[in-house]
Amino acid sequence: AQKITQTQPGMFVQEKEAVTLDCTYDTSDPSYGLFWYKQPSSGEMIFLIYQGSYDQQNATEGRYSLNFQKARKSANLVISASQLGDSAMYFCAMREGGQGFSFIFGKGTRLLVKP
Amino acid sequence: GAVVSQHPSRVICKSGTSVKIECRSLDFQATTMFWYRQFPKKSLMLMATSNEGSKATYEQGVEKDKFLINHASLTLSTLTVTSAHPEDSSFYICSATGTSYEQYFGPGTRLTVT
Repeated sequence: AQKITQTQPGMFVQEKEAVTLDCTYDTSDPSYGLFWYKQPSSGEMIFLIYQGSYDQQNATEGRYSLNFQKARKSANLVISASQLGDSAMYFCAMREGGQGFSFIFGKGTRLLVKP
Repeated sequence: GAVVSQHPSRVICKSGTSVKIECRSLDFQATTMFWYRQFPKKSLMLMATSNEGSKATYEQGVEKDKFLINHASLTLSTLTVTSAHPEDSSFYICSATGTSYEQYFGPGTRLTVT
């Protein structure tokens, strides 16, 4: 079974508008972390935001916020005031248990910001 | 934040030759390093996990003898693609984790086998 599901292969958003990228996850481990990464055309992975399973509040980092709904096992990324430079692939990822465990990535969502 | 470098960033090699990719953590000690492979427009696929001083753990379906991974120190891991073939052409990304929750990614290496 897929552990990380990103149901939107591609999305468009108008510049300056907000956009939500969906991510649902599946785990039985009570301790896990959820991450969002941005991958521009250059290929490098850029860390955006982190949410721990025990965190009480939704994570925010500048224009990025994570809508964490634990009971629904969803961790949607919200980008406010989209910019042209936000056009990229976005990956949701989860790490279960301790720090030595690798990430499990979703298939990604390609976001295109229109001027 | 922490920095992970990869070298080379791009490499073109002939079929049948071997190529080595280096992954270095520049300002922290990486107890664990991961190697991923990405096919065009697809998600990252974990190839192997390496801990300093021990043998790498390979994911199912990844050939150990073809993708040699060495994690000789707390700041360096290498991936050697042996007897490369055109189907090995891909984007390879390493990441490293130290004592924090964060995993730091290298910039990636684009391998083209002709």
